Amino acid sequence: SQQGEEDPQALSIQEGENATMNCSYKTSINNLQWYRQNSGRGLVHLILIRSNEREKHSGRLRVTLDTSKKSSSLLITASRAADTASYFCATVQGAQKLVFGQGTRLTINP
Amino acid sequence: SQTIHQWPATLVQPVGSPLSLECTVEGTSNPNLYWYRQAAGRGLQLLFYSVGIGQISSEVPQNLSASRPQDRQFILSSKKLLLSDSGFYLCAWTGQLMNTEAFFGQGTRLTVV
Repeated sequence: SQQGEEDPQALSIQEGENATMNCSYKTSINNLQWYRQNSGRGLVHLILIRSNEREKHSGRLRVTLDTSKKSSSLLITASRAADTASYFCATVQGAQKLVFGQGTRLTINP
Repeated sequence: SQTIHQWPATLVQPVGSPLSLECTVEGTSNPNLYWYRQAAGRGLQLLFYSVGIGQISSEVPQNLSASRPQDRQFILSSKKLLLSDSGFYLCAWTGQLMNTEAFFGQGTRLTVV
């Protein structure tokens, strides 16, 4: 079963705008991770937020985590055409099972 | 530094033929290893994961099997491929503590014809 569920499934915005993607999960977590996938490639890790953190920044990325709502959001500020990709959240079920959501396909229009 | 190798990059196989996809990790020891399948435009479906040599957890009953003959080698196999086995297969590894990121191979695009 998929632990994380992202929304929206697809998002299309103009270059320079901010993009926000959301992830919901079902069980308790130690951390939540966000990944990026360019078409036809493997996933690349973007950022990890631990369960005792509420917000984390990395460059133009901002991730929030609300454990009471079992949700996280990924914000990409000042988007660029190169940000076009699919974005996935991931959590760990049990001790070692890493599961991913269905992803958000982000398109940045120049 | 750690690296992960996955091959082949693309594969076209006839229905009923066998399959063997290999994934190896360098630069780390005792990793957790994962096989995922991704349908076009969809998320990652966890197929198998392994926390040690010979230890395989299967997530979805299907036409595939996995083996871990060595610490840093993970193999995905099928005796007879089905059309529905087509997809993009990804191998990944993490540390045992699961408190850092996963590293992915570049994937294998399998087309069963």
